[in-house]
Formats: sequence, structure tokens, C-alpha cells
Amino acid sequence: EDQVTQSPEALRLQEGESSSLNCSYTVSGLRGLFWYRQDPGKGPEFLFTLYSAGEEKEKERLKATLTKKESFLHITAPKPEDSATYLCAVQEKSNYQLIWGAGTKLIIKP
Amino acid sequence: AAGVIQSPRHLIKEKRETATLKCYPIPRHDTVYWYQQGPGQDPQFLISFYEKMQSDKGSIPDRFSAQQFSDYHSELNMSSLELGDSALYFCASSQLYNEQFFGPGTRLTVL
Repeated sequence: EDQVTQSPEALRLQEGESSSLNCSYTVSGLRGLFWYRQDPGKGPEFLFTLYSAGEEKEKERLKATLTKKESFLHITAPKPEDSATYLCAVQEKSNYQLIWGAGTKLIIKP
Repeated sequence: AAGVIQSPRHLIKEKRETATLKCYPIPRHDTVYWYQQGPGQDPQFLISFYEKMQSDKGSIPDRFSAQQFSDYHSELNMSSLELGDSALYFCASSQLYNEQFFGPGTRLTVL
């Protein structure tokens, strides 16, 4: 069965403390993996698309990487404004629907 | 840059009433999606349209229907509302089936 699992469920970091969020997936054929950021009560904000193993994308303090089984969202020297829920979603080649992970709630303390 | 527009942003309805949510996709985006998100949950896919035709269907109740119009805006019609329908409803748009861009959402409260 296709599934996406994100870990940890929640992560508290001090400002400047780098860490990584994990998204592991099981699909028959990966078309793309997407990372979103969501603030409470707002729509998910698109961050990255990764298509093939070995691919990396960066944006400010965030860097996303992809292997054949998982993706990591690395956050370097985070700031309090990086606090949000980070969602991972996977798209199969045969079905364009997104399979969503449950998200990681990231809290950055000043 | 233009974003997805949703209206209304907040909606309060009584049980058994009807609600209509509207979505205006990003210009030149040909695919529209509707999602429902409960508190602490990931978005649940309801339905999608590609070039004004229904392209995929998720966990959309039979009480709900949707359509996409000639100007590409979409409407989600919800009838016989139940307390459990209270949630955030998001519309997203994309070019074909590439990355989806989400609107700000409509918060529906059913009393």
C-alpha cells in the first residue's frame, strides 16, 4: 500500500540549532515528491519539488534531498519565523493524486 | 505574483443548510483541486478538474458536488451540512499535474 510517513511528529529547536525532518515513502513509481510549509489556519505554501534520487534543492535556510526511499528537509541555523508544520506529499506516476504525510510541527525557540 | 483566490474566507452555517465555496486559480493554471483539512490533519483530497472536466475523485461525500466553469474558476457545493463538515477547505491549482499552489482557504463552521 502506498504511504508517506513523516518523522518526527514534532520538533523543538533553539534558534540556530540545525536539524533535519524525514519523509519516508512507499509508492510503486515516484513521479515527484513535494515539500510544503503550513502556518496555522493558512494554506500550504509550496517549497520544493524533487523528481529523482540524488536531487537536491535549496531555498534560504532549507535544503531538500531525495533518495529512493526517503526525503530529508534540512534546516540550517533556523529562526523563530521558520516555526510551522512541514508537509511532505508524494505523487505516483500512474495516479496524479498526492499522498500526504501527517506533517512535522517545527517550533523554533528564540 | 498572482495567487489562488478563495471566497468566502469564513462561513458559518446551520445543520442541513447549503454552502457554496468559490475558487479562482492562478492564471494559466489548467488544473484545480479541492481539499478538506480538519484540525491537526493533513489535507484530504476531495476532487479535481483538468480543463473544466472532472479528472479525479477522492473522499468527497455524495452531498458535495463541484464544477469548473469556462473562466476556470471552480465552485464546491455542499448540501445537507453536518457538524462534521466543519473544517478548512482549500483550493489549489497547478499547470497540468505539477506542483500545486494553495489558496488561503475557507473556514466552514457548521452549528
